[in-house]
Amino acid sequence: ETGVTQSPTHLIKTRGQQVTLRCSSQSGHNTVSWYQQALGQGPQFIFQYYREEENGRGNFPPRFSGLQFPNYSSELNVNALELDDSALYLCASSPRGAQTRETQYFGPGTRLLVL
Amino acid sequence: KQEVTQIPAALSVPEGENLVLNCSFTDSAIYNLQWFRQDPGKGLTSLLLIQSSQREQTSGRLNASLDKSSGRSTLYIAASQPGDSATYLCAVKTNTDKLIFGTGTRLQVFP
Repeated sequence: ETGVTQSPTHLIKTRGQQVTLRCSSQSGHNTVSWYQQALGQGPQFIFQYYREEENGRGNFPPRFSGLQFPNYSSELNVNALELDDSALYLCASSPRGAQTRETQYFGPGTRLLVL
Repeated sequence: KQEVTQIPAALSVPEGENLVLNCSFTDSAIYNLQWFRQDPGKGLTSLLLIQSSQREQTSGRLNASLDKSSGRSTLYIAASQPGDSATYLCAVKTNTDKLIFGTGTRLQVFP
């Protein structure tokens, strides 16, 4: 068991709405990464948080934003939802920040459907 | 820009066959390469992690090799079983600490 948890498991929103997804990292991990996985595709890196600071960002618009809290849990916020935002959102935690050879441990994901 | 490609995209085989899944990447400057398994609608389960200095890793019926210079990795599954049916993803880790994934190989093993 990885110890990374995500909530909610499923979510249905309409275009233009805003959504917040949550992730609790594995005990002892201070780094959280978020990925978007569209149907039939591999996960795409959204951004990473290390010790409450953004530590790298993929090719996603500013309406995708995040937070990391002192307990290293994290939120992903998406504003002005679009139909193409429908995807599985995966959170992964790891014990250290950049330039580490440690693996990332993935949560079960949140399935977001935008209508 | 690092790109990861997986071949084949899908595979359907009878139980008992030995399988080879392929992964290629364009930039050899990687920290490690990892193979994951994903069941439909679920998260990712790490199968094998190969550091850039290693050539292969083994776990049970699974063996993964890494040839950094040619930008290739293979995942070998021995004596496949119906329970192996899933999507297999490879991902490389760069110095930016993000994982770059391929699009996966969807495997079906039938009895």
